[in-house]
Amino acid sequence: EPEVTQTPSHQVTQMGQEVILRCVPISNHLYFYWYRQILGQKVEFLVSFYNNEISEKSEIFDDQFSVERPDGSNFTLKIRSTKLEDSAMYFCASSEAYTEAFFGQGTRLTVV
Amino acid sequence: AQSVTQLDSQVPVFEEAPVELRCNYSSSVSVYLFWYVQYPNQGLQLLLKYLSGSTLVKGINGFEAEFNKSQTSFHLRKPSVHISDTAEYFCAVSLAIGNFNKFYFGSGTKLNVKP
Repeated sequence: EPEVTQTPSHQVTQMGQEVILRCVPISNHLYFYWYRQILGQKVEFLVSFYNNEISEKSEIFDDQFSVERPDGSNFTLKIRSTKLEDSAMYFCASSEAYTEAFFGQGTRLTVV
Repeated sequence: AQSVTQLDSQVPVFEEAPVELRCNYSSSVSVYLFWYVQYPNQGLQLLLKYLSGSTLVKGINGFEAEFNKSQTSFHLRKPSVHISDTAEYFCAVSLAIGNFNKFYFGSGTKLNVKP
């Protein structure tokens, strides 16, 4: 069964460092998303991506964040200068039009 | 604005007992409705979805949910739970924006099944 895969599963980084979270969406999907879940809180929308550009982003997705689909298969989330409050589980998801999103297993980001 | 409310943050239940996890939503437009399950240290797995048609939808692992438009609810039920159902359950609505769906999640309900 096709699935969304995310790497790494756990990333520890120092405050102020850049991190790149990687995702391989399901191959025939056209819509890509990043969500995050701060420990003990709800899953929050960050950004959606379609046709090589951002479709929508939340207020969380500020200038420190960027997304890219560098090679037609990977979908990356970059945090330019991490803060302590960026510590969370980050979920990548993909979907076809008008269907449910399929989520990856998540990357747990710990900023120290 | 869209919002999803899961009224119970934790639901303890004994094995083989029935369970209902409540979900209410608010939206000014039509939405799709979903339940996702998150097992410890894992990602979000789709349990079931309501897109259209019959208001009673059946999902994996014996779960079902009923869409009630007048009450704007989408409660999740299982007639007899197992220890393995212990997990966190998230209700979500999706709103069509252009060609994609933006998901709004509830705060989650932790189901704790006791032997």
